[in-house]
Amino acid sequence: GAVVSQHPSRVICKSGTSVKIECRSLDFQATTMFWYRQFPKKSLMLMATSNEGSKATYEQGVEKDKFLINHASLTLSTLTVTSAHPEDSSFYICSALPVASNEKLFFGSGTQLSVL
Amino acid sequence: DAKTTQPPSMDCAEGRAANLPCNHSTISGNEYVYWYRQIHSQGPQYIIHGLKNNETNEMASLIITEDRKSSTLILPHATLRDTAVYYCIVRVAGGGSNYKLTFGKGTLLTVNP
Repeated sequence: GAVVSQHPSRVICKSGTSVKIECRSLDFQATTMFWYRQFPKKSLMLMATSNEGSKATYEQGVEKDKFLINHASLTLSTLTVTSAHPEDSSFYICSALPVASNEKLFFGSGTQLSVL
Repeated sequence: DAKTTQPPSMDCAEGRAANLPCNHSTISGNEYVYWYRQIHSQGPQYIIHGLKNNETNEMASLIITEDRKSSTLILPHATLRDTAVYYCIVRVAGGGSNYKLTFGKGTLLTVNP
């Protein structure tokens, strides 16, 4: 089956620093990728939709200047949490929709971000 | 997308069938029923989806009522590794940016030895 690789799986950073999370589709191309955030014991919340070669679309309440998304190729999207604060600590999950199929969304294994 | 209602938790004995219900009484004619699951601290995994006919794959079966207002996901022989949160999601067909999945609270299925 299709594999989405997300890196790093866990990161600890100091408040005020920036953290980049990578999401790669390993064996398929994806023009559309989605970024979710999940707080402990809560459901996934969609943050933004990333389209290859164009600007990301952010959900209401998500600061686009704080969560920078770049989707420069058909296999890679990155999420950069800028000037991270403790309240940004969360589980971040990316997902990719194969170009060849609109039926299944494939998810990465997630990144646990802890901001001290 | 239509709203779904699922029980917050269920238990199942290992080796037995797990039947997870989902209510989607406001579903529209062009909306599909999708099931995903999330094992603790991992990304969600696609299980199955359907429009109005029953569907079966290597993971599970999906039974949709004739009026499409509810459905049941069936794991025929649950194992300990099936312990996860199961999400029932209703969405309109379509890809690209329209493939937005709105996750509810899901059902925590615990498979017991």
